[in-house]
Amino acid sequence: EPEVTQTPSHQVTQMGQEVILRCVPISNHLYFYWYRQILGQKVEFLVSFYNNEISEKSEIFDDQFSVERPDGSNFTLKIRSTKLEDSAMYFCASRIYSNQPQHFGDGTRLSIL
Amino acid sequence: SQKIEQNSEALNIQEGKTATLTCNYTNYSPAYLQWYRQDPGRGPVFLLLIRENEKEKRKERLKVTFDTTLKQSLFHITASQPADSATYLCAWGGGYQKVTFGTGTKLQVIP
Repeated sequence: EPEVTQTPSHQVTQMGQEVILRCVPISNHLYFYWYRQILGQKVEFLVSFYNNEISEKSEIFDDQFSVERPDGSNFTLKIRSTKLEDSAMYFCASRIYSNQPQHFGDGTRLSIL
Repeated sequence: SQKIEQNSEALNIQEGKTATLTCNYTNYSPAYLQWYRQDPGRGPVFLLLIRENEKEKRKERLKVTFDTTLKQSLFHITASQPADSATYLCAWGGGYQKVTFGTGTKLQVIP
């Protein structure tokens, strides 16, 4: 069964450094998402992306965050200047149509030192 | 503000019994609700989606109900097994929208 893949599985970065998290959504999917989950807390929406543009973003997704779909297969989340509070699991998700469920990757654990 | 709540943080149940998890929502009328399973260190896995005009949905040992009057969805696992132990997430969202998750209920099935 096709799945969403995320790399790396664990990323350790110094505070203030830039980090790029990578995702390969399911190939025929049209809608793409990033979520994060701080340890012990609920999964929170960051941003949705459709037709090569952001369709919705949360208040967490400030100017330090950006997303890109540089080619037909990858979907990336960039954090420009990481903070300690950015430490979390980051999940990528995709869906084929707007009325279908989202499929999630297994996440990247981001640790900011 | 719109809220989706799962009342129990944790639920322990004996193997073979039926587990029932509750999801309540306020200040919103979702067109559908979704249930996901999340294992430690893994991403949420979609289980079932139920639309507002559907009272009940089943998939193997899983059953979901949707009561728009009570603003509540119930998630049942019949003949529960230790392998069913996980955190179960209720969620809403549709169209282009984000999915908004509840805090989850951690189910432990005791052999």
